[in-house]
Amino acid sequence: DQQVKQNSPSLSVQEGRISILNCDYTNSMFDYFLWYKKYPAEGPTFLISISSIKDKNEDGRFTVFLNKSAKHLSLHIVPSQPGDSAVYFCAATSGYALNFGKGTSLLVTP
Amino acid sequence: DTGVSQDPRHKITKRGQNVTFRCDPISEHNRLYWYRQTLGQGPEFLTYFQNEAQLEKSRLLSDRFSAERPKGSFSTLEIQRTEQGDSAMYLCASSLPPVGGLYNEQFFGPGTRLTVL
Repeated sequence: DQQVKQNSPSLSVQEGRISILNCDYTNSMFDYFLWYKKYPAEGPTFLISISSIKDKNEDGRFTVFLNKSAKHLSLHIVPSQPGDSAVYFCAATSGYALNFGKGTSLLVTP
Repeated sequence: DTGVSQDPRHKITKRGQNVTFRCDPISEHNRLYWYRQTLGQGPEFLTYFQNEAQLEKSRLLSDRFSAERPKGSFSTLEIQRTEQGDSAMYLCASSLPPVGGLYNEQFFGPGTRLTVL
């Protein structure tokens, strides 16, 4: 059973605009959430994380928002750059194992 | 380079053969994880170690799979009698343990792509 869902398989955004990637989860025990970026033939690269005690975490162009009541988180990338084009995975954990969504493929066009 | 490394990067084998993969974690990380990723899916947890102790195994890890971390440093993942369904990317990750209730992120290696013919 998929406990972490990314319902948009792909997203296309113009360079300079905001990219918003969404993620929903079903397990209320999850208390730490992460976003990873993945290029073809490489392992996932950690981007940003958020603890369940917070509702926002920011790191440069990347901001993650957490809405615990809705069991929803989102990743905002502002401004988007062509180098951001990759597959983005949302992950959640309540201990050791990361539970991943299926990913959203982001394409940033010039 | 002080990141997580995996060897080999690619492995092609015939059904029924045994294969072994190696992972070298970031040196100060005492937690090591194995995941499997198939096409169109996110990585799925297989097992993890804290130092040399294997603390958890997913139900995905059938009896044909075995993982070791003998000295608490590098780890190996062996698949016996490979099946076509074992074809996937096998990812290794490492992390520091949680401190004061605060998690530490897992850092992934480049993966080993297994193709079973």
